[in-house]
Amino acid sequence: NAGVMQNPRHLVRRRGQEARLRCSPMKGHSHVYWYRQLPEEGLKFMVYLQKENIIDESGMPKERFSAEFPKEGPSILRIQQVVRGDSAAYFCASSPQDGNSNQPQHFGDGTRLSIL
Amino acid sequence: AQSVTQLGSHVSVSEGALVLLRCNYSSSVPPYLFWYVQYPNQGLQLLLKYTTGATLVKGINGFEAEFKKSETSFHLTKPSAHMSDAAEYFCAVSNSGGSNYKLTFGKGTLLTVNP
Repeated sequence: NAGVMQNPRHLVRRRGQEARLRCSPMKGHSHVYWYRQLPEEGLKFMVYLQKENIIDESGMPKERFSAEFPKEGPSILRIQQVVRGDSAAYFCASSPQDGNSNQPQHFGDGTRLSIL
Repeated sequence: AQSVTQLGSHVSVSEGALVLLRCNYSSSVPPYLFWYVQYPNQGLQLLLKYTTGATLVKGINGFEAEFKKSETSFHLTKPSAHMSDAAEYFCAVSNSGGSNYKLTFGKGTLLTVNP
């Protein structure tokens, strides 16, 4: 499968635990974006990363959330001390080199995070 | 700042009927505009996009959309609905300048197709 791969597809955590969401971009794509979709809402931009760099994290909550895209391996979205309000679908997208909108973002199938 | 308004959270049509999904946007700079489709428990798939040039854009699965600057609209149409078109549709905007990677989405329109 040459598409954007996200895992796990479903993740259940109890309040206070940590959630780690992984995203492998499409082959040849070096730019990764994370979006969050709350129930009955559109996707909201969270963060844009290139390899080893955070380019724009203006959509990330200031506390408990972090993202990385290491030189090797997938991009990780990490949520510490999860709360009920973190329950959502988290989507990763990737694009080729320059992150220009002329190169559209390709989305993964998402991770559905449920907080008990 | 940009925003997207999708009129009608739920649209229902009969198979073979015209599909019209409405999208209006606001943007302080010339926009890039997109329509994505989301099937249940899946990610978003790009239907079509407008960046520059011809204002009538043709996409996959027989869909098309027209950019109307004077109306700040980018409505999605398909002449004849098929059962397989049932899904949620999202309109999105980004700006054509810096930070053009940052997509702003509408809340979505759920399309149901009746036999």
